[in-house]
Formats: sequence, structure tokens, C-alpha cells
Amino acid sequence: GNSVTQMEGPVTLSEEAFLTINCTYTATGYPSLFWYVQYPGEGLQLLLKATKADDKGSNKGFEATYRKETTSFHLEKGSVQVSDSAVYFCALSDRGDDKIIFGKGTRLHILP
Amino acid sequence: DSGVTQTPKHLITATGQRVTLRCSPRSGDLSVYWYQQSLDQGLQFLIQYYNGEERAKGNILERFSAQQFPDLHSELNLSSLELGDSALYFCASSVGAGAGRETQYFGPGTRLLVL
Repeated sequence: GNSVTQMEGPVTLSEEAFLTINCTYTATGYPSLFWYVQYPGEGLQLLLKATKADDKGSNKGFEATYRKETTSFHLEKGSVQVSDSAVYFCALSDRGDDKIIFGKGTRLHILP
Repeated sequence: DSGVTQTPKHLITATGQRVTLRCSPRSGDLSVYWYQQSLDQGLQFLIQYYNGEERAKGNILERFSAQQFPDLHSELNLSSLELGDSALYFCASSVGAGAGRETQYFGPGTRLLVL
């Protein structure tokens, strides 16, 4: 079945550091890929998405590229801020399927 | 603020009891999704309704049921509660039916504690 695997946290970085959160997926078809973010005490928000191979999603300085050959969708940001502290979820939805499958989430702490 | 509202914010109850969680989608959204977030299982899709009809089913237990009303709000009913049902329950909404193609907007969640 379809699944998403992302790096376990917590990840702790200093402000202005470079961020990578790894995400790989298994899917039988051609999925759409997502990154969602959950700030403390809030629901999930869509951060970015990509719907086909080689697409790059970007938002708020975050980027992720849909790599079909490595079945990956790693999240990157060049210079993190304290306000980026949150839990980040990688997710996929297969074409024709109405379900979104989430990874277990990666908690990110940014130190000032 | 996503525009999705959920009530109550917190719920504390005992094993064996039944509770109802309520969700109002964003104005204009026809789809409502329910998710359960727990420490051991992560974020799990439970069920989706689109314009009053069940559209997709995930890992929803038989003790759980949901419905979407003509005004498009939705309720998730959890019965014969067990300790393991303690979790954060999220509702999300989208304009259309296809979860993969639509952006889902999440509510703030209902935290359920079963004692």
C-alpha cells in the first residue's frame, strides 16, 4: 500500500541554519505530494505541494522537489527562523484516491 | 484562522461513554474530512463526506460514525469509548471532492481524553 516515511525528530537548529527534512514515499500510481505544518495549538496548514515529477513546490522560503527516481520530496529552507518551530508532515495522495496519507511528522525546534 | 470551526475544544469523558464532535466547514466548501491524531498512530484519515454523502473511508472503527447535514456541518460520533480513543480529532474541509487535488483547510481540533 501507499506510505510516507519521514525523518524522526526532534530536529534542533540555530536561527539562520539550513534545514532539510527528509521524506520518501511508496505509491502504486502517480501521487501528489504535500508538506503540511502544524504550529503549537493549531490545526495543520498546507505549506506546499507538487503534483508531478520534477515539480518544485515553494512557500514562505521553504522548497521541496518531487523526485520520482528517488521517490523523495525533501523539505528545505535556506535560513530558518524561530517562528518556523512547528511539526512538519509529509503527505501523499494517489490519483483517483480521495485519501491523504501522512507521515508521522517531524518536530522542529529553532533556537535564537 | 482557516475558517473551519470545531466544537468542543476539549472533552473529558469516561470509558464506555459516547461523545459527539462537531465541525463547520469553510463557507462554500462541500467536503468535510475527519482525522485522528495520536502519539502512537500519528495522523490517520477516518472518513470524508462530500455534499452530504460518504465519499471515502479510512481507518475508522465500527464504534465511530459520522454524518454531514444539509447545512454541510458534520458530526463525528464516538461510542463505547476506550482509553485508546484519547486523541486529537481534526476536521478539514475543501471545495471539491478530490483530496489529492484540493487544498484541505484544517480546524483547530478537539482534544478528547478518555479516563
